[in-house]
Amino acid sequence: EAEVAQSPRYKITEKSQAVAFWCDPISGHATLYWYRQILGQGPELLVQFQDESVVDDSQLPKDRFSAERLKGVDSTLKIQPAELGDSAMYLCASSGAGQSSNTEAFFGQGTRLTVV
Amino acid sequence: AQSVTQLGSHVSVSEGALVLLRCNYSSSVPPYLFWYVQYPNQGLQLLLKYTTGATLVKGINGFEAEFKKSETSFHLTKPSAHMSDAAEYFCAAAGNTPLVFGKGTRLSVIA
Repeated sequence: EAEVAQSPRYKITEKSQAVAFWCDPISGHATLYWYRQILGQGPELLVQFQDESVVDDSQLPKDRFSAERLKGVDSTLKIQPAELGDSAMYLCASSGAGQSSNTEAFFGQGTRLTVV
Repeated sequence: AQSVTQLGSHVSVSEGALVLLRCNYSSSVPPYLFWYVQYPNQGLQLLLKYTTGATLVKGINGFEAEFKKSETSFHLTKPSAHMSDAAEYFCAAAGNTPLVFGKGTRLSVIA
């Protein structure tokens, strides 16, 4: 069964260090999302890609966060420098449909980031 | 802007009892509505979705939800709770924007 792959599953990093997360969406899915989920809260969208283009990054803290999807397939989310408040679950999701859609988003297992 | 409100951050039910998790949405246009379940340190799994058509939607694991436009609600129900239903449940809406999630409701099932 096709699934969204994320790595690493867990990451512990010291504050001020750089950290990167990787996501491989379901094959053929043009839309890719990165969400951040703080413990005890719902996921919040950080960035949305349609193929290799950014559709929405209005909630991405651009002074320290960056995201890319160079070939329109897999994607990397980077934080530099990491801060204590960045500790959260980072979820990647993909969808076969366009920007606003009635089709479901499929989620990966997530990367649990702890900044110490 | 779209928003989703889940009433009750924690719901506790006895095994075999009715499960009712509440969700209300705020949208200027009828949204697409979803319920996801999340187990500890896992991603989100779709339970069910409403797009158009029949307002009573059946999902996996015996869950169902009813879209009520007049009440802007999409409550999730299950007739009989099972221990394996203990998890975090998220209501979400999409439409003119990508998925917007509620804060979640943690369901505990007591033996």
